[in-house]
Amino acid sequence: AQSVSQHNHHVILSEAASLELGCNYSYGGTVNLFWYVQYPGQHLQLLLKYFSGDPLVKGIKGFEAEFIKSKFSFNLRKPSVQWSDTAEYFCAVNAPNNNDMRFGAGTRLTVKP
Amino acid sequence: DTEVTQTPKHLVMGMTNKKSLKCEQHMGHRAMYWYKQKAKKPPELMFVYSYEKLSINESVPSRFSPECPNSSLLNLHLHALQPEDSALYLCASSQDELLTEAFFGQGTRLTVV
Repeated sequence: AQSVSQHNHHVILSEAASLELGCNYSYGGTVNLFWYVQYPGQHLQLLLKYFSGDPLVKGIKGFEAEFIKSKFSFNLRKPSVQWSDTAEYFCAVNAPNNNDMRFGAGTRLTVKP
Repeated sequence: DTEVTQTPKHLVMGMTNKKSLKCEQHMGHRAMYWYKQKAKKPPELMFVYSYEKLSINESVPSRFSPECPNSSLLNLHLHALQPEDSALYLCASSQDELLTEAFFGQGTRLTVV
């Protein structure tokens, strides 16, 4: 089965700083990749997803992620974070045609005003 | 309507009680999921229903019993739970088993006393 690793447990940034959150997966075949965000007290929301094609994926709220197949990575980036980006970020993976989606441990992002 | 609605939002139950969690979606999705999320941990997959049939059961104890009465509803019946079962229980749905995107509900915060 596939698994996901997120290396940063807690990231603290000041507003306008650039963000990169790491995500690596282990699975031998083709995968679908996702980044979800969970704002305090709210439900999980999809930020972006990758299935195929251009490995640089743009999502909502200025986030983007790059799929690097050779590194089994799908890192999330944002050029300039805002206080409102404070949340928990989860990377997730599933194999195509398989509805068994697995989440990474999550990274808590705190943005200081 | 892109909502997954879960009820109740909060539930406190004793170890001898029987209760049910409910989940509803009206997006025409044919795959529905139960996840369990402990504090500061990622969601863990419990069950997957695809076209109203149980397709994945992640070795969950029998004190958790899922039910999918129709394509819009998903229940989780609880009986003889333990305090360590206290967690946020998340329901999600996706269009079908291809899992192009999963929509999550806000969850039911369960406390077992």
